[in-house]
Amino acid sequence: EVQVVESGGGLVQPGGSLRLSCAASGFTFGGSQMSWVRQAPGKGLEWVALILKDGSGDYYVDSVKGRFTVSRDNAKNSLYLQMNNLRAEDTAVYYCMRDWISGGSGKGFDYWGQGALVTVSS
Amino acid sequence: DIQMTQSPSTLSASVGDRITITCRASQSVNNWLAWYQQKPGKAPNLLIYKASTLESGVPSRFSGSGSGTEFTLTINSLQADDFATYYCQHYSGYYRTFGQGTRVEVK
Repeated sequence: EVQVVESGGGLVQPGGSLRLSCAASGFTFGGSQMSWVRQAPGKGLEWVALILKDGSGDYYVDSVKGRFTVSRDNAKNSLYLQMNNLRAEDTAVYYCMRDWISGGSGKGFDYWGQGALVTVSS
Repeated sequence: DIQMTQSPSTLSASVGDRITITCRASQSVNNWLAWYQQKPGKAPNLLIYKASTLESGVPSRFSGSGSGTEFTLTINSLQADDFATYYCQHYSGYYRTFGQGTRVEVK
């Protein structure tokens, strides 16, 4: 059974930092690209970051470049999102998911976690 | 960056209706286009990938079509469980973008 579980969300002050974790099981984590997507309250989905399966490359939406860093530990089947210099507009539910690409095929985001709420407020 | 534009933003329909949602990309994404369904308080669920391939376990009343920059999601014989918000998303290259979403509500 596939499981994707985010943790580390919470309340943080503007300018503060937070690190989200994502524990995955039930699929070959080390063979999978992974992404983070967020959803602000009452708003749509926004892709945030992607990391290649071996961690050799990472990509970000413009609004978080230079502030957020995605990383992974394939030995622990874990994905991370380090968020620095947080702003009120970063308040959202953050989802972790498998971003499935294999050779010439791809599915997009097939396994999602339940999300972790990050609230940036003084 | 590739922009994705969905229409309509809201769609009012009844059980049994056939509905269509459109998604346009600002440049070609080939067939790297997925559709998701999201219900309140839940994570999105993958319905269609590569523009027209039905994800395992998704009912056959859902179908996708299109290529390049124009895509559609069709739901035949809308069921009560289908009232939700739907998003398109491209996954061409290493960046991803979602459409703004289409809320399907009870007429």
